[in-house]
Amino acid sequence: KAGVTQTPRYLIKTRGQQVTLSCSPISGHRSVSWYQQTPGQGLQFLFEYFSETQRNKGNFPGRFSGRQFSNSRSEMNVSTLELGDSALYLCASSTGTSGPRGNNEQFFGPGTRLTVL
Amino acid sequence: KNQVEQSPQSLIILEGKNCTLQCNYTVSPFSNLRWYKQDTGRGPVSLTIMTFSENTKSNGRYTATLDADTKQSSLHITASQLSDSASYICVVSLLEGAAGNKLTFGGGTRVLVKP
Repeated sequence: KAGVTQTPRYLIKTRGQQVTLSCSPISGHRSVSWYQQTPGQGLQFLFEYFSETQRNKGNFPGRFSGRQFSNSRSEMNVSTLELGDSALYLCASSTGTSGPRGNNEQFFGPGTRLTVL
Repeated sequence: KNQVEQSPQSLIILEGKNCTLQCNYTVSPFSNLRWYKQDTGRGPVSLTIMTFSENTKSNGRYTATLDADTKQSSLHITASQLSDSASYICVVSLLEGAAGNKLTFGGGTRVLVKP
């Protein structure tokens, strides 16, 4: 079974531009979550999509948005880029439903390294 | 506020030695606790998942323990290898159905194994 894939792997943008990142989950997984990882803040939750609907949202400004398609693939968009948006953006897929043991495991992709100049 | 604190922030050990990483959390209501290993520049990979009723879980040379009463967990690495050099992240999940962000991440412990 193929793992979670993210494209592109590396991206360089300038302030004020916008960027779209893509994530393809594991086949059969309906939930995709996005995270931002920086050396200073660690991993921070952006949002989760399940069956094309945003199910959970972290504390990020409206410049960060996402969507999910009917095939569960997800995109994340960041508009009006700022220097502080430079980070590793990770997506994780899961079935989206917990079993009786409550252990809905997430599988992470390799990430997209975004550098804002 | 739901928080996950990890210690130490970084650790250097000699190949073949054991080490223990700590995780304290205040997340409530608690569903499960996970340990992830993250190699530099790559996505985290799950090592163990424990619910509140489990107090130990092993995955090869990795053994995680959980004390739900004191809200503490530890990850023990036995007979460390150079490939164990990575960041180890403790992640606590809110109970299904609870409002708000489901996962709270610790800051991670960076482990460096030297020959």
